[in-house]
Amino acid sequence: EDQVTQSPEALRLQEGESSSLNCSYTVSGLRGLFWYRQDPGKGPEFLFTLYSAGEEKEKERLKATLTKKESFLHITAPKPEDSATYLCAVQASQGGSEKLVFGKGTKLTVNP
Amino acid sequence: DTEVTQTPKHLVMGMTNKKSLKCEQHMGHRAMYWYKQKAKKPPELMFVYSYEKLSINESVPSRFSPECPNSSLLNLHLHALQPEDSALYLCASSQDVGGTGAFFGQGTRLTVV
Repeated sequence: EDQVTQSPEALRLQEGESSSLNCSYTVSGLRGLFWYRQDPGKGPEFLFTLYSAGEEKEKERLKATLTKKESFLHITAPKPEDSATYLCAVQASQGGSEKLVFGKGTKLTVNP
Repeated sequence: DTEVTQTPKHLVMGMTNKKSLKCEQHMGHRAMYWYKQKAKKPPELMFVYSYEKLSINESVPSRFSPECPNSSLLNLHLHALQPEDSALYLCASSQDVGGTGAFFGQGTRLTVV
């Protein structure tokens, strides 16, 4: 069974304090790994897609990386507006490939 | 334009009511999805439409009935819901059914009374 585990569940940072969020996965053939940001009461906002180990994507203060077993979302010098829940999801290449399997998310709070 | 539009934003309905949620995208995406999200939980897949045909039903109760009138529109018809069905209902679309990121709408906050 495909599984996604995100850690930590919650993370509090001071403004400017860089850190990383982890997403470990087990999947029967990875078709894609996706990072989303979700604000309370809103739909998830698409951030990145990663397809193969060694791949990296960047957007402003965020950088996503991928290995064969996990992905990291690095946040450099975060600002209070980066506070949100960050969701990781995987899509398998075998059987039911339309399905996104989500982790439970990491709730990030950045204090000014 | 990477927008998925959902209406209404909020809906309160009684257990005997019939209502519909609507979703629209104009990105030319051929896969569309309905998700349900409870508070502090990740989204849970309900239905997947691929090229306007239902391809996945995640054993959703029949009181939820999806419909895909065309490649840009997705509806979710609701009837005889229970209070535990109260949740954020999210529509999403993707270019195809595999390997591309899905774009989500802002959701419909449904309360069943």
